[in-house]
Amino acid sequence: DSGVTQTPKHLITATGQRVTLRCSPRSGDLSVYWYQQSLDQGLQFLIQYYNGEERAKGNILERFSAQQFPDLHSELNLSSLELGDSALYFCASSGTGGTEAFFGQGTRLTVV
Amino acid sequence: GQNIDQPTEMTATEGAIVQINCTYQTSGFNGLFWYQQHAGEAPTFLSYNVLDGLEEKGRFSSFLSRSKGYSYLLLKELQMKDSASYLCAVWGAGSYQLTFGKGTKLSVIP
Repeated sequence: DSGVTQTPKHLITATGQRVTLRCSPRSGDLSVYWYQQSLDQGLQFLIQYYNGEERAKGNILERFSAQQFPDLHSELNLSSLELGDSALYFCASSGTGGTEAFFGQGTRLTVV
Repeated sequence: GQNIDQPTEMTATEGAIVQINCTYQTSGFNGLFWYQQHAGEAPTFLSYNVLDGLEEKGRFSSFLSRSKGYSYLLLKELQMKDSASYLCAVWGAGSYQLTFGKGTKLSVIP
């Protein structure tokens, strides 16, 4: 158990809909990262938050947004969903920058 | 930008040694990580290198050469359970972005 909790584990939704993925980081970790992993693809970095502030942005679509709350949990919002958004979405957390990141078990999103 | 290259697939025999290479080009460097990922599961941390040289951790060792932008992961005494994808990841400038390579899928055969 990495200490990073993601909910839900599985999500099935229709095209055009909006979903919210939730992540609770390890106790004490201030950084939260979101990654997308499509079938047979590598981990694509989406966005990073540190202590409530956005710190780095990767290949995140405009239809996607995220935030980190004062209690340090984070949410990733995906809207106007398309079939191609079907993927595993991982959240990871770490302490200060440059230290190892610990991953949650992921949310498997299926868009039908 | 950041670019990380790893072989796509490798096959090795149970009990043998395998070396998985990773080359990277990044804007700034603050450390290199290796993760193991079984299909459909979360990546798990294996090793971390920030200085040149070899880090050994049981059956796993990782090497880094910053001047060459090169790292490798060495797995000894391979077991069937080592069949997984191995991901090379680099902390870029400012330590704000951990970028992963596409991963090397290792198949261990009897």
